[in-house]
Amino acid sequence: QVQLVQSGAEVKKPGASVKVSCKASGYTFANYDVNWVRQAPGQGLEWLGWMNSHSGKTGYAHQFQGRVTITSNTSITTTYMELSSLTSEDTAVYYCARGHAFDIWGQGTKLTVSS
Amino acid sequence: DVVMTQSPFSLPVTLGQPASISCRSSQSLVYGDGKTYLTWFQQRPGQSPRRLIYKVSIRDSGVPDRFSGSGSGTDFTLEISRVEAEDVGIYYCMQTTHWPYTFGQGTKLEIK
Repeated sequence: QVQLVQSGAEVKKPGASVKVSCKASGYTFANYDVNWVRQAPGQGLEWLGWMNSHSGKTGYAHQFQGRVTITSNTSITTTYMELSSLTSEDTAVYYCARGHAFDIWGQGTKLTVSS
Repeated sequence: DVVMTQSPFSLPVTLGQPASISCRSSQSLVYGDGKTYLTWFQQRPGQSPRRLIYKVSIRDSGVPDRFSGSGSGTDFTLEISRVEAEDVGIYYCMQTTHWPYTFGQGTKLEIK
């Protein structure tokens, strides 16, 4: 079936970077964009950015420009989101979601940033 | 950026009664192709968001027909005709007409 499976929980120190993966299966990878969304504890949803899986073009929300990088490895149908210069405010669950329509979501990856 | 404003913030509802959530955008959500990219999501406790409705009023496969979406331009509504216990969670609207994409702040539906 169509699904996005994300990598496991991470614990990082302030100033470090994290790279979260999102593996797609059950559909033609190149036909759909992949978005990244995060949710801080007890908070709402926040869009981070997007990648066109066919062209590799990316776009990022203003507040994350320069700190987030989305990449992919088409041979293994996996998209990655790397976030650098982590602070405690980056503690959140990070989700990938398929396409402009956000119709399929990953299970989420919990990131904890703590010294 | 387009600001999405949902109301109410909290929505206590009696089982079997209707519920309505409003979502207003700071700009028209009509895209150049004439379509309106307004989506509703449900997030049950401890789960990933699930898409319920897209392009204002198209219900996803498997979504009960008690859920309906309506609206145009800058004013949108999600309605539940008869609330059931499984509907408890937080509901979000999102626009993908304008860059960057933005979400409403969420509406928490609970059973009275």
